[in-house]
Amino acid sequence: SQTIHQWPATLVQPVGSPLSLECTVEGTSNPNLYWYRQAAGRGLQLLFYSVGIGQISSEVPQNLSASRPQDRQFILSSKKLLLSDSGFYLCAWSKGGEQYFGPGTRLTVT
Amino acid sequence: GEDVEQSLFLSVREGDSSVINCTYTDSSSTYLYWYKQEPGAGLQLLTYIFSNMDMKQDQRLTVLLNKKDKHLSLRIADTQTGDSAIYFCAEREEDSSYKLIFGSGTRLLVRP
Repeated sequence: SQTIHQWPATLVQPVGSPLSLECTVEGTSNPNLYWYRQAAGRGLQLLFYSVGIGQISSEVPQNLSASRPQDRQFILSSKKLLLSDSGFYLCAWSKGGEQYFGPGTRLTVT
Repeated sequence: GEDVEQSLFLSVREGDSSVINCTYTDSSSTYLYWYKQEPGAGLQLLTYIFSNMDMKQDQRLTVLLNKKDKHLSLRIADTQTGDSAIYFCAEREEDSSYKLIFGSGTRLLVRP
């Protein structure tokens, strides 16, 4: 069966510090991978998606970036965090009709 | 562009049925989804319906799709306090990304 992991689960970072969130998927190959952000009390905003290794599409221009160094690894990064980057970050994978989400990382920028 | 809309809040009594409604705009979507999010957790895929279906039933869950009106609903029978959560509907974009466009979520409160 397939599983998706995210870490860390929670993170508190000062403004201007770098960020690296990691997502890995087990039990499947060549999935589509996604990063979403959920601001407090709001819906999900798609940030990036990837259909293969090294292929990244950005949905929202901002100070975040994503990379896919391996087939089942997806990384969300920032060189300098802003207060507005606070939120709940969710990674997801899909292959065919269904899309499954990881447990999320709650990021607080102080 | 794509837009998915849901009402923000629904309150029901335990044991009653809950109906959560959603409208979408992309008529080419072949899959439509319902997700559940409990506090502090990720999204759990509850069920989905293929666009050539009118109805799908899975235990206490019934999904109805009116493709003409682009209206999707989720009915939860015999609603329990454990069903209290935020419910998101989503439509799938029909390109190689298969990305989902989400509604803003409906918060369901089940009163004992």
